[in-house]
Amino acid sequence: DAKTTQPPSMDCAEGRAANLPCNHSTISGNEYVYWYRQIHSQGPQYIIHGLKNNETNEMASLIITEDRKSSTLILPHATLRDTAVYYCIVRVRGTGNQFYFGTGTSLTVIP
Amino acid sequence: DAGITQSPRHKVTETGTPVTLRCHQTENHRYMYWYRQDPGHGLRLIHYSYGVKDTDKGEVSDGYSVSRSKTEDFLLTLESATSSQTSVYFCAISADRLREQYFGPGTRLTVT
Repeated sequence: DAKTTQPPSMDCAEGRAANLPCNHSTISGNEYVYWYRQIHSQGPQYIIHGLKNNETNEMASLIITEDRKSSTLILPHATLRDTAVYYCIVRVRGTGNQFYFGTGTSLTVIP
Repeated sequence: DAGITQSPRHKVTETGTPVTLRCHQTENHRYMYWYRQDPGHGLRLIHYSYGVKDTDKGEVSDGYSVSRSKTEDFLLTLESATSSQTSVYFCAISADRLREQYFGPGTRLTVT
């Protein structure tokens, strides 16, 4: 199973870019990297996902290294509402489509 | 936001009693999931469904059963609740096995 490693916590100044790293050194060739976030007491919110190319949407950008062993989620202009726990997830190979949610990175955006 | 509701949103029950949590979706998605979230463990998959009457076990399925008699509803049952099942339970849906999952608001269950 491809699992992920993230720093437990990070701070970011409001208005600056937040760069959240994730290591997934055992990822398989056809496994996608997904990012979710969870604001206190709410259900997780989907942010973005990718396979090997960089991706961008209205919320964030996802940068995946060429060897696919790590990735970075970028929130270009962090706001106080971006304070949340961010989860980097890789799909687990096998029957069905289990996601492995680790403990994530707690991002605090500071005014 | 994806049309996902969970009921009840909060429940307190006693050890040994049966409990059923309901997840309802209006998106007509094929896949539905039940997760639990506990401090220090992130979210862990309990069971999932890939169609009506088609279900499979997840990472922490012991003590739980599920049923899906129609596309829009996925039920999670604790046959005999234990204190270790005190948790926040999230339902999720996705259109297919490779697509992103959308989560419901959660049910906070306390077993005393």
